[in-house]
Amino acid sequence: EVQLVESGGGLVQPGGSLRLSCAASGFNFSRYEMNWVRQAPGKGLEWVSYISGSNGTIYYADSVKGRFSISRDNAKNSLFLHMSSLRVDDTAVYHCAREVGVAAFDSWGQGTLVTVSS
Amino acid sequence: QSALTQPASVSGSPGQSITISCTGTSSDVGTYNLVSWYQQHPGKAPKLIIYGVIERPSGVSNRFSGSKSGNTASLTISGLQAEDEADYYCCSYAGSNTNVLFGGGTKVTVL
Repeated sequence: EVQLVESGGGLVQPGGSLRLSCAASGFNFSRYEMNWVRQAPGKGLEWVSYISGSNGTIYYADSVKGRFSISRDNAKNSLFLHMSSLRVDDTAVYHCAREVGVAAFDSWGQGTLVTVSS
Repeated sequence: QSALTQPASVSGSPGQSITISCTGTSSDVGTYNLVSWYQQHPGKAPKLIIYGVIERPSGVSNRFSGSKSGNTASLTISGLQAEDEADYYCCSYAGSNTNVLFGGGTKVTVL
């Protein structure tokens, strides 16, 4: 069974940093492209970042470019999102999602809540 | 780039069919046959129900179907059931600069 479990969320002050992790199991992690998608409280989904299976290709949404960094450790079946210069509008549940086709995310974690507040 | 446009809400009675629209531009929905749809129940993670405009993942009910015309994609739910009450999001590839766009979401209510 495919499982994605996020961790690392919490309360952080504006301007602070946080590192999210996503532990993957039940599939050959290195063969899949992975993404982070976030959802602000009571709002819709927003794509955040993409990374190819080999770490060779990375993309970011304009809203996080220059502040967030995606990475993965295929040996440990883990995906990461390092977030810095956090802003109040970065407050959201952050989901990791497996991509099985372009813009097709077939497995999602339950998410980890990031709250940016003073 | 702006999010894709969906109606805020759609409702129908059990057994009826409803259609949710997703309007983009010639830079995303209109150019790429890479539209997906997600169902999200409260407090749950999104679930992929349509990808590649018309394809249904294994295990997804055939009551869900997708289509596209020009810059607008659509999700049709036929034989509406109480369990279909949820939020639905469309998603489209938008080229290498923007990458992926989601719609604002549509709340489906079963009357």
